[in-house]
Amino acid sequence: EDQVTQSPEALRLQEGESSSLNCSYTVSGLRGLFWYRQDPGKGPEFLFTLYSAGEEKEKERLKATLTKKESFLHITAPKPEDSATYLCAVLGAGNNRKLIWGLGTSLAVNP
Amino acid sequence: EPEVTQTPSHQVTQMGQEVILRCVPISNHLYFYWYRQILGQKVEFLVSFYNNEISEKSEIFDDQFSVERPDGSNFTLKIRSTKLEDSAMYFCASRLGQGSTDTQYFGPGTRLTVL
Repeated sequence: EDQVTQSPEALRLQEGESSSLNCSYTVSGLRGLFWYRQDPGKGPEFLFTLYSAGEEKEKERLKATLTKKESFLHITAPKPEDSATYLCAVLGAGNNRKLIWGLGTSLAVNP
Repeated sequence: EPEVTQTPSHQVTQMGQEVILRCVPISNHLYFYWYRQILGQKVEFLVSFYNNEISEKSEIFDDQFSVERPDGSNFTLKIRSTKLEDSAMYFCASRLGQGSTDTQYFGPGTRLTVL
């Protein structure tokens, strides 16, 4: 069964303190791993898609990497506006591209 | 920038009542989805829709649920007789459909509260 586990569940950082979020996955043939950002009471906002081991994507202070078993979201010199829940999802089996989600990491960045 | 929209943002209903949640997907997208997120839990897939029919549904999507694309722009989720456990955020998503792994874009959600 396809499964996604994210750690830590919650992370508190000082502004400027870099860190990484982890997403471990078990899926029969990875076809895509997605990172989304979710603010309280809002819908997931797309950040990155990774397709194969070794791939990396960057956007501002965020960098996503992928191995055969896990993905990392690296946050460099975070700012308070980076505070949000970061969700990881993988494409499930079948042709209809449903997403299988992790529980997310709740990130708080203190000024 | 095109976006998925959803209405209402918050719906309060009595147990046993019918509710319809509405979504307007991104205009040239071909695949549509409903997900839900119970407070503190993972986002869960409900149903996918393509070419005017359901292409996949989860165990959650039982006979009380239905989806419809009544015109060229709206995509609706109906819950016929709501239960307390239906209280959740409901998200609509759409994707273009050009590639097998292209991105799903999400709406802001409808918070459903069943009393």
